[in-house]
Amino acid sequence: NAGVTQTPKFQVLKTGQSMTLQCAQDMNHNSMYWYRQDPGMGLRLIYYSASEGTTDKGEVPNGYNVSRLNKREFSLRLESAAPSQTSVYFCASSESISAGYQETQYFGPGTRLLVL
Amino acid sequence: AQTVTQSQPEMSVQEAETVTLSCTYDTSENNYYLFWYKQPPSRQMILVIRQEAYKQQNATENRFSVNFQKAAKSFSLKISDSQLGDTAMYFCAVRNYGQNFVFGPGTRLSVLP
Repeated sequence: NAGVTQTPKFQVLKTGQSMTLQCAQDMNHNSMYWYRQDPGMGLRLIYYSASEGTTDKGEVPNGYNVSRLNKREFSLRLESAAPSQTSVYFCASSESISAGYQETQYFGPGTRLLVL
Repeated sequence: AQTVTQSQPEMSVQEAETVTLSCTYDTSENNYYLFWYKQPPSRQMILVIRQEAYKQQNATENRFSVNFQKAAKSFSLKISDSQLGDTAMYFCAVRNYGQNFVFGPGTRLSVLP
């Protein structure tokens, strides 16, 4: 049981390049999330998927797209990377966003992205 | 909109001593959950403790306990008998029913030998 896994662990991009961050969970969770973490700002929600087949914008969606490929996988795509997207990206999952406010999110190990 | 404030960007504590991390939040809801997450240098986010807003009794998990003051919208974390492995960033978060988590900016805790 690996929990939430993310690839890659670290990536360097040039401005304008594109890339996809991969996330997978093996806990049979319905809901999945993408956050970015910047110094002094905590975690900010980029996009989330309440259930397979649905995606919604979070607090900071501009410059990103997501795909809920199946119940296990939720990818984050940067179409044209910008230096402002330099950050640490976390994927998380939970049983169900509508199950109740007591549910816990489980996080992946993070991807450090540097955009030059 | 919900907001979470952690007024202590950095703190340090001697090994075996007790430290309290503060958190205040703002929400218009009456029922919600509060969480403390720990992020060690490995960057993995780990749930430390959670508290239901409608319960008056403070949550405890081994050496970790909270002081929940609903009227003051305060949710502090107390770590007793601090250990070197407690060195980490600590994030406070609040979640209303059916909504997403809102995280604070974090407090970096260093446990000194």
